[in-house]
Amino acid sequence: ETGVTQSPTHLIKTRGQQVTLRCSSQSGHNTVSWYQQALGQGPQFIFQYYREEENGRGNFPPRFSGLQFPNYSSELNVNALELDDSALYLCASSAPPKGEETQYFGPGTRLLVL
Amino acid sequence: GENVEQHPSTLSVQEGDSAVIKCTYSDSASNYFPWYKQELGKRPQLIIDIRSNVGEKKDQRIAVTLNKTAKHFSLHITETQPEDSAVYFCAADPTTLTGNQFYFGTGTSLTVIP
Repeated sequence: ETGVTQSPTHLIKTRGQQVTLRCSSQSGHNTVSWYQQALGQGPQFIFQYYREEENGRGNFPPRFSGLQFPNYSSELNVNALELDDSALYLCASSAPPKGEETQYFGPGTRLLVL
Repeated sequence: GENVEQHPSTLSVQEGDSAVIKCTYSDSASNYFPWYKQELGKRPQLIIDIRSNVGEKKDQRIAVTLNKTAKHFSLHITETQPEDSAVYFCAADPTTLTGNQFYFGTGTSLTVIP
């Protein structure tokens, strides 16, 4: 098992609400990437944080936002929840420069929007 | 942005036979191609990866090949075992500095029949 942890493990929200998901990166990793995995689909890249700044974003609307803290842990915030936001949210940490080490996924947070 | 296609979506093989999963990518800048195995309810686990300066890589029963000109890469599993049954995802990473901004295929559900 990797050192990446996520909280909470499960979450139920209703449409229109806001949610915050948390990720603690593996020791020594300063980069955190977030992915959304809908049921039966591959993970989709949401965004990446490197040295506390957003460093790349996939095709997700602005209501998906994030933060990275000085200890490299990260938050994913989703505003105005929609039913289609129901998914497994994965975070992964890594340590650049690229080529030195690949990234390791956390166990995920399963979000259900009713 | 990068677009990764994966085939087949489902694959059934007899124990001991070989399994091949194929992926294509669109962005010629992609330079890193990992393969992940995901068992039901669990996080994706890296099983093998290949970088763009290498044409083939092997790790025991698993091998990956890359054709940069044709923009396709494949996973080969030999002497399949029931414990190989899972969903397999290919991915491509077009970044340079931080890496680890993966664009995943839609997955292949592999069933190994004892």
